[in-house]
Amino acid sequence: GAVVSQHPSWVICKSGTSVKIECRSLDFQATTMFWYRQFPKQSLMLMATSNEGSKATYEQGVEKDKFLINHASLTLSTLTVTSAHPEDSSFYICSAMIAGFNTGELFFGEGSRLTVL
Amino acid sequence: QKEVEQDPGPLSVPEGAIVSLNCTYSNSAFQYFMWYRQYSRKGPELLMYTYSSGNKEDGRFTAQVDKSSKYISLFIRDSQPSDSATYLCAMNSGGYQKVTFGIGTKLQVIP
Repeated sequence: GAVVSQHPSWVICKSGTSVKIECRSLDFQATTMFWYRQFPKQSLMLMATSNEGSKATYEQGVEKDKFLINHASLTLSTLTVTSAHPEDSSFYICSAMIAGFNTGELFFGEGSRLTVL
Repeated sequence: QKEVEQDPGPLSVPEGAIVSLNCTYSNSAFQYFMWYRQYSRKGPELLMYTYSSGNKEDGRFTAQVDKSSKYISLFIRDSQPSDSATYLCAMNSGGYQKVTFGIGTKLQVIP
């Protein structure tokens, strides 16, 4: 099956620092990846759509300067939370679609739990 | 009105029961329908994927789509305690369009 690896699985940082989360498609190429945020007992909230080789498309209300997304290759997208604050503490999950498959199937990473002190 | 409606539960059933999970949607452009299972503090896992109206079976799981009623279901037969998780329905209009998720139904299967 299609495997998406996300790293780190959990991170604790001090307020004001930046944190980078990596999302890799291990056995397929992904021209499109998605970044979600999930609060406890709530569903997935789409933050942005990451397209290989172009700028990410952010959902309304998501600060693009705070959540930097880079999709430099067909197998890697990164999310950098800049100048993190306690309110940024959340569960961040990436997902990917298989390039060339026009089916809408999403494959998710294991998620990254960010705690900002 | 939300694009996708899903009862958050929780739903508690005894082991061996048949579980029925449902979602309704309002966007007639949705063509692809998925069910994901999410264990606590983990990323969602794709369980079932369907395109057309009708049934699709995979082991103990059956996905059902009724496009005319804008209603999808996931049935779990012979439910096991290991099935205890949150089940999310998801759908999109195809291509690389964003996927819209239901809020998820929390299921607990009691031994």
